[in-house]
Amino acid sequence: DAKTTQPNSMESNEEEPVHLPCNHSTISGTDYIHWYRQLPSQGPEYVIHGLTSNVNNRMASLAIAEDRKSSTLILHRATLRDAAVYYCILTSRQGAQKLVFGQGTRLTINP
Amino acid sequence: DVKVTQSSRYLVKRTGEKVFLECVQDMDHENMFWYRQDPGLGLRLIYFSYDVKMKEKGDIPEGYSVSREKKERFSLILESASTNQTSMYLCASSLGARWDGGVTDTQYFGPGTRLTVL
Repeated sequence: DAKTTQPNSMESNEEEPVHLPCNHSTISGTDYIHWYRQLPSQGPEYVIHGLTSNVNNRMASLAIAEDRKSSTLILHRATLRDAAVYYCILTSRQGAQKLVFGQGTRLTINP
Repeated sequence: DVKVTQSSRYLVKRTGEKVFLECVQDMDHENMFWYRQDPGLGLRLIYFSYDVKMKEKGDIPEGYSVSREKKERFSLILESASTNQTSMYLCASSLGARWDGGVTDTQYFGPGTRLTVL
């Protein structure tokens, strides 16, 4: 499975935008980029996914670099409830339908 | 909304006991998964199932078995619990059916069962 690299932790302030980076330099042409987050004492939850184009949904936006070697999850206006561990995961045809979780980025939101 | 439920939030068992962890999903998903999560080690896949009565080993299957007799239910079994199986256990499901890397791969997780083996 292609590997992703994320910062261990990030900190931001409430009501400000947050940009969470992810590097995936070995991504292949058919790999999708998925983001999940895990709130304290809960199971992970799906946030967003994309292939080549930028994506928006009610939770976040996903910006994918033109060469696809990196991506950024954007929380437009962080709230205290967004404090969580965020995971960037690639899914490939070889590892079809399985997710491989790394250590993720622990996001702290300051009031 | 997809709902994945797990039989217990907290469970305490003794070494050597047989332990059953139950997971139920209500969205007719093909795929179901069992993970364990430990501090510093992240989430690791134990077993998964693509269909009723079908199972495949994940990354750490030793000491565990699974059962899927009905599509909506996936059970994790610890035949003889040991203290190193103290962990958070998470169940998930996904649509499956065919691979498209997107929606059908999205996994929905239950709240987890924190198992302590004494």
